[in-house]
Amino acid sequence: NAGVTQTPKFQVLKTGQSMTLQCAQDMNHEYMSWYRQDPGMGLRLIHYSVGAGITDQGEVPNGYNVSRSTTEDFPLRLLSAAPSQTSVYFCASSYSKTVNTEAFFGQGTRLTVV
Amino acid sequence: GENVEQHPSTLSVQEGDSAVIKCTYSDSASNYFPWYKQELGKRPQLIIDIRSNVGEKKDQRIAVTLNKTAKHFSLHITETQPEDSAVYFCAALGTSGSARQLTFGSGTQLTVLP
Repeated sequence: NAGVTQTPKFQVLKTGQSMTLQCAQDMNHEYMSWYRQDPGMGLRLIHYSVGAGITDQGEVPNGYNVSRSTTEDFPLRLLSAAPSQTSVYFCASSYSKTVNTEAFFGQGTRLTVV
Repeated sequence: GENVEQHPSTLSVQEGDSAVIKCTYSDSASNYFPWYKQELGKRPQLIIDIRSNVGEKKDQRIAVTLNKTAKHFSLHITETQPEDSAVYFCAALGTSGSARQLTFGSGTQLTVLP
């Protein structure tokens, strides 16, 4: 029972490079989301999706793109990395798009942009 | 959108004492309030949640109270143990865009001293 799987766990990028953080869930959850976690700021929502083909912006979407071509996968793309994007990134999924059920988190990706 | 404030940011208690963490929210339409525990280097995990149709919920040593009129909710941990040491996040489910979104507080670092 894998739950929510994120890859990679650690990544170092140079300013201006691009990369994709992968997220997959095997629980057939409708709702998937990406958060970034910075010291003293909690978890801030970047983008979310309520189902395949549907995405929307969260609190801090600038510099990030997402797509949801299948129920299982929700990748996060950084088009041109900046030092301000150094953070820990968590993908999460919930059973219902109304989100009033438990959010299951992936193990996180620690990203450093130099 | 929803705004969640959490206090205190750090809390130290002696083993066996109680710990209380408080959160306030701004969106009167919010009706779901989960609490997550994050151990060092791990992913956040749900420990308890409450919906707006109840005022209190208990699960062994953990309880959550909700005051909808004042728009605040609290986490109570009794008989604290060293394994309770972690960062605790409150969250509130607000309404924005095409779906509802969880907004997290900034977190409380709880340290239980043996």
